[in-house]
Amino acid sequence: EDKVVQSPLSLVVHEGDTVTLNCSYEVTNFRSLLWYKQEKKAPTFLFMLTSSGIEKKSGRLSSILDKKELFSILNITATQTGDSAVYLCAVEAVGGSQGNLIFGKGTKLSVKP
Amino acid sequence: GAVVSQHPSRVICKSGTSVKIECRSLDFQATTMFWYRQFPKQSLMLMATSNEGSKATYEQGVEKDKFLINHASLTLSTLTVTSAHPEDSSFYICSARVQGYGKPQHFGDGTRLSIL
Repeated sequence: EDKVVQSPLSLVVHEGDTVTLNCSYEVTNFRSLLWYKQEKKAPTFLFMLTSSGIEKKSGRLSSILDKKELFSILNITATQTGDSAVYLCAVEAVGGSQGNLIFGKGTKLSVKP
Repeated sequence: GAVVSQHPSRVICKSGTSVKIECRSLDFQATTMFWYRQFPKQSLMLMATSNEGSKATYEQGVEKDKFLINHASLTLSTLTVTSAHPEDSSFYICSARVQGYGKPQHFGDGTRLSIL
């Protein structure tokens, strides 16, 4: 059975700290791995990773994929209170032409002032 | 770009009511849209894949007669929860993919459904 496992499930840090969120997966017919940020409403897209070893960056956030180890990390440097959210990792599997997403349970990040 | 609009954002209604939720891709065409359900403190679970001009594909355990999906145009998919009961109360989220290789799914803001 396909699965995506995120760790830790929750994390409390102080402003300015650097955090690393983990995502491991076991998915047949892997196409891509995506990170989303979910605050009170629906997830907002952060990164899409398809190739191993290529880091993607957006401001203080960065992410990288290891397809050999079936693992991805999301780094956030110099955290701010606005980074508080649930971070979701999802893997896109190829099933015909559908490309549905398999989500992990998320990591709830709380950044204290 | 790639904005997905979902409406309504909140529904409170009595048991037995049917509720329709709309999902629109505002600035792109989407041949495929996805409907997810999220319970408190749980992750998103795919319910069904909505295909423009054809029948939706439902995930195992999802009743297609209970959750009616219509994808009549390239920018609109609707989910109707028929004869809703309290156990149908949940957060329903749709997503749509921009066509082309390597494009992510973008999500609507979700609909919180409460059945009394």
